[in-house]
Amino acid sequence: DSGVTQTPKHLITATGQRVTLRCSPRSGDLSVYWYQQSLDQGLQFLIQYYNGEERAKGNILERFSAQQFPDLHSELNLSSLELGDSALYFCASSGPGTPYEQYFGPGTRLTVT
Amino acid sequence: DQQVKQNSPSLSVQEGRISILNCDYTNSMFDYFLWYKKYPAEGPTFLISISSIKDKNEDGRFTVFLNKSAKHLSLHIVPSQPGDSAVYFCAAVPDYGQNFVFGPGTRLSVLP
Repeated sequence: DSGVTQTPKHLITATGQRVTLRCSPRSGDLSVYWYQQSLDQGLQFLIQYYNGEERAKGNILERFSAQQFPDLHSELNLSSLELGDSALYFCASSGPGTPYEQYFGPGTRLTVT
Repeated sequence: DQQVKQNSPSLSVQEGRISILNCDYTNSMFDYFLWYKKYPAEGPTFLISISSIKDKNEDGRFTVFLNKSAKHLSLHIVPSQPGDSAVYFCAAVPDYGQNFVFGPGTRLSVLP
C-alpha cells in the first residue's frame, strides 16, 4: 500500500460526457502528479501540482484539467470524452525531501463507450 | 518521438540468475533516472534511482548502471526471484523541471 488513494476504481461513461477522478496523496506529500496509461502504452505524464499550484505540464489535452485543493487532494477533470480517452489514470505523490521518488495510487480505469 | 526507450518488450530469466533490463534515452537534458516495477492491477512502485553525476547505485539485489556517453542505463537484479516477475519501467527527469518521461516498459518473467 503506497498510501496514495484514488477514486473511483472503475468508471464507465459515454462519449461526450465529463468525469472527475480524485486522488489523495500520502500524508505529508505536497506534490501530486497525474499520468495516463493507454492500452499497451507507457505512462504519459499529464500534469503536476505542488502545494496547490501547477508546477509542470506534460501532454495534457485542453479537454482535461486538474487542480489541487488546500487539503492537498487533487482532481482530474476530463470533459467531452472520446473513445480514445479510455485508459488507466494514475495519480502519484512525492515528498519535499525526495521529489523524484513518486508513490503511485492503484489507478482509475476509465472506459468510454 | 520516444525520448526513453526500452527495446525489449519482454524478458525471461531463470530463478537465481541475473536479470538485466535496459533503457536508452535521447535527451541529454535528462538529469535523474528511476526504475519502477508494476504488478497487474496495481500502480507502479519505485525501485531505485540514479543521478546523472553517478554511474552506479546499488540497493540490495538491485543495481542501476548509467552510461551517460552512451545515453544508456540498465537495471540488474541478482539473484532473480519469481516475485520479481512484473513490468519494469525506466523513467527520466530533465534538469529543468518535473516532467517525468517513462519508457514503454519491459515485462520480466522469472521462471522457477
